[in-house]
Amino acid sequence: EIVLTQSPGTLSLSPGERATLSCRASQRVTSSQLTWYQQKPGQAPRLLIYGASSRATGIPDRFSGSGSGTDFTLTISSLEPEDFAVYYCQHYGTLYTFGQGTKLEIK
Amino acid sequence: QLQLQESGPGLVKPSETLSLTCTVSGGSISSRDYYWGWIRQPPGKGLEWIGSIFYSGSTHFNPSLKSRVTISVDTSKNQFSLKLSSVTAADTAVYYCARDSRVKYSYYMDVWGKGTTVTVSS
Repeated sequence: EIVLTQSPGTLSLSPGERATLSCRASQRVTSSQLTWYQQKPGQAPRLLIYGASSRATGIPDRFSGSGSGTDFTLTISSLEPEDFAVYYCQHYGTLYTFGQGTKLEIK
Repeated sequence: QLQLQESGPGLVKPSETLSLTCTVSGGSISSRDYYWGWIRQPPGKGLEWIGSIFYSGSTHFNPSLKSRVTISVDTSKNQFSLKLSSVTAADTAVYYCARDSRVKYSYYMDVWGKGTTVTVSS
């Protein structure tokens, strides 16, 4: 089973700043199977990025995904107030696994 | 617009069976492009995939839960269901149903229900 480790655990930034969130896999994974979600308190997760770099429908272009092999990154180019949330990466091999999440909080 | 809605008891006694249903509206559960999945989130913790089902009845489960999980589909009602047996307090969580898209070697959950809280307690 592939383990996904997200860092940092918490990221404190201000609106307008750039956010860089990391997801590291315990072994090499296929980029097409790497996904990012956003979750706000009391809400279901929301699909942001699939296939490591493809934005889901309706996702603003300030969100971008990159990476390959074992290292993947979610970048938010200029933080808006509504972007402060928890972000999860996910992989599908023979089962779905999630990272533990990165909490993006207002500094 | 596709919508998913979970339903079922919010309180289950230890050792009993948790039963939830997800009703799909705005689209057909019989689409060949999608599986339909269950995911849970214990209070204050991360996400855990439970399993997914295709409209034909083909299933995939998380090995850590497989021995206790049953997922079924009722295409006539556009619903799929989860049963988790022998529950303990560790099964207390928000349970989500979601559309499980498997297209062109990409795998992701693109439409989610709002979630339902299930507490295991006597």
